[in-house]
Amino acid sequence: TQLLEQSPQFLSIQEGENLTVYCNSSSVFSSLQWYRQEPGEGPVLLVTVVTGGEVKKLKRLTFQFGDARKDSSLHITAAQPGDTGLYLCARGDFGNEKLTFGTGTRLTIIP
Amino acid sequence: NAGVMQNPRHLVRRRGQEARLRCSPMKGHSHVYWYRQLPEEGLKFMVYLQKENIIDESGMPKERFSAEFPKEGPSILRIQQVVRGDSAAYFCASSPLTGQDQPQHFGDGTRLSIL
Repeated sequence: TQLLEQSPQFLSIQEGENLTVYCNSSSVFSSLQWYRQEPGEGPVLLVTVVTGGEVKKLKRLTFQFGDARKDSSLHITAAQPGDTGLYLCARGDFGNEKLTFGTGTRLTIIP
Repeated sequence: NAGVMQNPRHLVRRRGQEARLRCSPMKGHSHVYWYRQLPEEGLKFMVYLQKENIIDESGMPKERFSAEFPKEGPSILRIQQVVRGDSAAYFCASSPLTGQDQPQHFGDGTRLSIL
């Protein structure tokens, strides 16, 4: 089983602050996808990273894929209440179509 | 621009009954994946299908669960003789192409409750 650990599990911060959440594995993976899920809804794809060291930006969100392809981070600048949700990372593995999801970081932004 | 459509959104069954969950992929997508999300847990892969073929069912329980994706119509996840432990949110995802870096787009799920 290819485990994917996310940290922190819960994070509650004030509006306007910056934050970083992490996604780590003990083994190399081919790609990583970040999703956000709100209560009662399905995960919504934010980004896919496939190249070691890759950095992608989506407005105030910055995604980084580690050089060794074992970890990824999501940094949010000037957090807003609309950023509240469950953030999930999911790894893709070589020769395998399925996604393996992490346990998630539940983020709450306090107005 | 309809996304992945799942129905019903909520399904209540009594122990021993059958549950049928439907998933229509995004237009142009021929790859369908089913995942299960138990309360307070992450999503777990169940099965990957292409039209008329099951490609990977390594996450499916060995008994009572089956899936299909016929040439015409939606993909169906079928659970026979449901038990309390089957209560969960079942999500379907689709992608247009094969490959481990192809993004999967999710529906809003079916929440199955077993009485």
